[in-house]
Amino acid sequence: QSALTQPASVSGSPGQSITISCTGTSSDIGSYNLVSWYQQHPGKAPKLMICEGNKRPSGVSNRFSGSKSGNTASLTISGLQAEDEADYYCSSYAGSSTLMIFGGGTKLTVL
Amino acid sequence: EVQLLESGGGLVQPGGSLRLSCAASRFSFSSYAMSWVRQAPGRGLEWVSAIIGSGGTTYYADSVKGRFTISRDNSNNTLFLQMNSLRADDTAVYYCARGLNFYYYYAMEVWGQGTTVTVSS
Repeated sequence: QSALTQPASVSGSPGQSITISCTGTSSDIGSYNLVSWYQQHPGKAPKLMICEGNKRPSGVSNRFSGSKSGNTASLTISGLQAEDEADYYCSSYAGSSTLMIFGGGTKLTVL
Repeated sequence: EVQLLESGGGLVQPGGSLRLSCAASRFSFSSYAMSWVRQAPGRGLEWVSAIIGSGGTTYYADSVKGRFTISRDNSNNTLFLQMNSLRADDTAVYYCARGLNFYYYYAMEVWGQGTTVTVSS
């Protein structure tokens, strides 16, 4: 199964809000509320930011929020900060055959 | 602090084998599903394999099924990935990661620092 589709890059200025989309199919995002979002700084391990579509793990800023509509999930970051500049990946459970898939990643630039 | 520490990476020839380990500390290891996720140079994340807390059920991506085997030793808080018939496209940083509970591997809350596997002649 193909990876989830994310924009290659997004950008925003400090204080602004940005949204990163993650498009799948009715076999993955559309069928399950099991989308996660990860932040990865260069040379570092990924960090879980959102799970089950819209839940924030302990310690994650409430500036990060997740949502879903149909086959597309979204990550919104409000009040952009310089430290938010990183790569962001979505993932979803995709059923008992494919199991787990990631998006291709989105590079966020804070201008 | 909860910690995962991978080891076992290195340079291996195509067709060769390698065994990765992931030592867990400061949490109840057997209570959590665990996964391996890899990242090829300059590429995105790819889920490789997962195992539930007891070790009784395992899951694999199609790209590694039949070549890789995930296992765990709960008495020694260690996760393993046995990799056989390695190919050039298995070259990547391999991360071990902890799921949210005994069964839930779909979201990975704790990650190791990664170990690098290079498959080349």
